[in-house]
Amino acid sequence: DAGVIQSPRHEVTEMGQEVTLRCKPISGHNSLFWYRQTMMRGLELLIYFNNNVPIDDSGMPEDRFSAKMPNASFSTLKIQPSEPRDSAVYFCASRFSRGSETQYFGPGTRLLVL
Amino acid sequence: RKEVEQDPGPFNVPEGATVAFNCTYSNSASQSFFWYRQDCRKEPKLLMSVYSSGNEDGRFTAQLNRASQYISLLIRDSKLSDSATYLCVVNKSRRSGGSYIPTFGRGTSLIVHP
Repeated sequence: DAGVIQSPRHEVTEMGQEVTLRCKPISGHNSLFWYRQTMMRGLELLIYFNNNVPIDDSGMPEDRFSAKMPNASFSTLKIQPSEPRDSAVYFCASRFSRGSETQYFGPGTRLLVL
Repeated sequence: RKEVEQDPGPFNVPEGATVAFNCTYSNSASQSFFWYRQDCRKEPKLLMSVYSSGNEDGRFTAQLNRASQYISLLIRDSKLSDSATYLCVVNKSRRSGGSYIPTFGRGTSLIVHP
């Protein structure tokens, strides 16, 4: 079975550019999470969706960040404009919210903003 | 006080040693608890759930102390392959009900040497 799929795996961009990260959750899972991980702050929850609806976006740093989930099999996290302090590993995770609550993570996108 | 706190370590132990990690949480309404393992430059993966009665999986034992608000992970007979970062996860209910919101600790680094 395919796990959570993220793309791109690596992204290097210049400050001010728009960055779009993509995630395909595990089929059948109805909750999706976006996380950011840095050495300084650890793993931070940015936003999570339940049945494609954003439930909690209190972790989204600021208006430069936006996330969408147009259908059950696809989500995007967009940063516009990007800044060097956005450099981090961005993970997407999914789970079946009425099941074991176990989250399954994708391999992550390593973002470097120069 | 942070919602979920862990000693970052590193814990440096010889093969065969027994090592224990604790994780404290501040929200007494927390509902469920997990330990995840994260290898270097990889995504977090579920190690084990933590039940009120405690649970054991081979060399790993997890326990929950609700009164003191901490969970623990005990690793017996450490192997070189146990070297990783161990993240505790605490789920709390949303005020309006529905899905649980996960909060990750910063992780505890374990290094097992020959």
